Amino acid sequence: NAGVTQTPKFQVLKTGQSMTLQCAQDMNHEYMSWYRQDPGMGLRLIHYSVGAGITDQGEVPNGYNVSRSTTEDFPLRLLSAAPSQTSVYFCASSRTGEWTDTQYFGPGTRLTVL
Amino acid sequence: DQQVKQNSPSLSVQEGRISILNCDYTNSMFDYFLWYKKYPAEGPTFLISISSIKDKNEDGRFTVFLNKSAKHLSLHIVPSQPGDSAVYFCAASEGNQFYFGTGTSLTVIP
Repeated sequence: NAGVTQTPKFQVLKTGQSMTLQCAQDMNHEYMSWYRQDPGMGLRLIHYSVGAGITDQGEVPNGYNVSRSTTEDFPLRLLSAAPSQTSVYFCASSRTGEWTDTQYFGPGTRLTVL
Repeated sequence: DQQVKQNSPSLSVQEGRISILNCDYTNSMFDYFLWYKKYPAEGPTFLISISSIKDKNEDGRFTVFLNKSAKHLSLHIVPSQPGDSAVYFCAASEGNQFYFGTGTSLTVIP
């Protein structure tokens, strides 16, 4: 049982490049989400999904796309990276997304956009 | 606009003493509050939570207090241990969305 896994751990991009941050969980959780953590800003919700085929925007969705084709995977896509997207990205999952369910976080991906 | 605020970026406490971490929020629609602990280079891990219908929840050395009229919650750690040194985030939920504070870095001095 690996929990929530994220790849890569580190990534450096040039402005305008695209990439996909991978997130997978093996707990059969319906709810998955992406956060970014910036100094002085805490964690901010980017996108979330309450089940396969269903996604919704969080607090800071601009510049990011997501899809949820399977229960296990929830990739985050940057179509044209910008320096403002330099951040640490965390993926999380929980059983249903209800406030009573514990969210489990992955170890994070540190992204630098030059 | 930050809906969940942690105004103390850092806190130092002697081992064995009480650590009190504070959190304020602005949205009266929040229905659940949580505390997470984060070590460097790791993701946050859930610590303790409280429903908006309660004013206190205990789990071992950790107690969370909620004052809805003041829109304030606090986390008490008694007694504090060196392994408690980490960044603590408070969070609040409204429906399926969670809002996090900026974190307080706790250092427990042996």
